[in-house]
Amino acid sequence: KQEVTQIPAALSVPEGENLVLNCSFTDSAIYNLQWFRQDPGKGLTSLLLIQSSQREQTSGRLNASLDKSSGRSTLYIAASQPGDSATYLCAVYSGAGSYQLTFGKGTKLSVIP
Amino acid sequence: SAVISQKPSRDICQRGTSLTIQCQVDSQVTMMFWYRQQPGQSLTLIATANQGSEATYESGFVIDKFPISRPNLTFSTLTVSNMSPEDSSIYLCSVSDPGLAVSQYFGAGTRLSVL
Repeated sequence: KQEVTQIPAALSVPEGENLVLNCSFTDSAIYNLQWFRQDPGKGLTSLLLIQSSQREQTSGRLNASLDKSSGRSTLYIAASQPGDSATYLCAVYSGAGSYQLTFGKGTKLSVIP
Repeated sequence: SAVISQKPSRDICQRGTSLTIQCQVDSQVTMMFWYRQQPGQSLTLIATANQGSEATYESGFVIDKFPISRPNLTFSTLTVSNMSPEDSSIYLCSVSDPGLAVSQYFGAGTRLSVL
């Protein structure tokens, strides 16, 4: 059974700092990996999707990497802003054509002005 | 992209009652999913709702407790039946379709508190 772990559970940083969020998964035979942002009352917003054949994806100040062999993914946020404050969730798809996601518990990020 | 409307956004219910949560999508989608997020926990898949067939439930979830309807390709409901305080969670609807660029889109969720 796939298990997804995110470390740290919570993180507080001053505005402008670069930061890394970590995600690990137990079964390396994943299909895709997706990072989401969760804001209270606003559901989940997809940030980056990394397909199994890719090693990283970038969108603006965000960069996500994937190392299937070690069962790890990282989300790098450059020049953090107070608006980045949210809970960040890592989720993996297991199996080709599978649309079922296994989520981590998330990292709650607070960016202090 | 897909825009998902989920109702109600929050509710406070009495023990033993039932609540039906609605999920409306602005386009036709193949698959709709229902998730539960208990306080401090990760999202857990309850079931996959397929149009024209019975929902497929994950281990630990049963139809009598969480009946699901999927009458067409843009709408689904999840009912939480005979509620207890342990059902207090956020319930989220998500959709997926081969035609969507992102694998899954999520609704804003329903925050349920059971007294």
